[in-house]
Amino acid sequence: GAVVSQHPSRVICKSGTSVKIECRSLDFQATTMFWYRQFPKQSLMLMATSNEGSKATYEQGVEKDKFLINHASLTLSTLTVTSAHPEDSSFYICSARETDTGELFFGEGSRLTVL
Amino acid sequence: GENVEQHPSTLSVQEGDSAVIKCTYSDSASNYFPWYKQELGKGPQLIIDIRSNVGEKKDQRIAVTLNKTAKHFSLHITETQPEDSAVYFCAASTRGTSYGKLTFGQGTILTVHP
Repeated sequence: GAVVSQHPSRVICKSGTSVKIECRSLDFQATTMFWYRQFPKQSLMLMATSNEGSKATYEQGVEKDKFLINHASLTLSTLTVTSAHPEDSSFYICSARETDTGELFFGEGSRLTVL
Repeated sequence: GENVEQHPSTLSVQEGDSAVIKCTYSDSASNYFPWYKQELGKGPQLIIDIRSNVGEKKDQRIAVTLNKTAKHFSLHITETQPEDSAVYFCAASTRGTSYGKLTFGQGTILTVHP
């Protein structure tokens, strides 16, 4: 089946640094990808919709200058957490919508810990 | 926007028993309802989904029912096994340009005791 790869799976960084998380569709093209954030013992909350070749659409309350999204190709979207702070520590999960079929596939998530 | 409520938040059953998790949604335009299983430290895994043109779907021990009028849908797991223990999420989405933009329920921690 289709696979969505996230990298890194775990990252620890110091407060004030920026961290980039990659989301790749390995065997299909994805014009649209979605980024979610999940805090411990909570549900997944949509942060933004990433569209290939255009600007991402952010959900209400999500700072676009804080969470930079780039979707430069049909198989790769990146989320950059800028000037990370401890409150940004979370599990970040992406999903990709296969262009041809519309099927959705989730990545395995990336756990960010900001010290 | 869409709001999805999920109950119960925790569910404990004995191996072999059935488990039922219920969700309600608010947006009548929603027409796609997936269920996900999430194990600790992993991404959600689709276990079954249903579209608004059917009322029930079954896949081996798992079934989902949908009542569009009442705007609720349920997950049924029969003959539960310890490996079914995980967090289960329901979600809702709308076909069209926003398809794939999922609103998730709060999650249900299912524990199956041997």
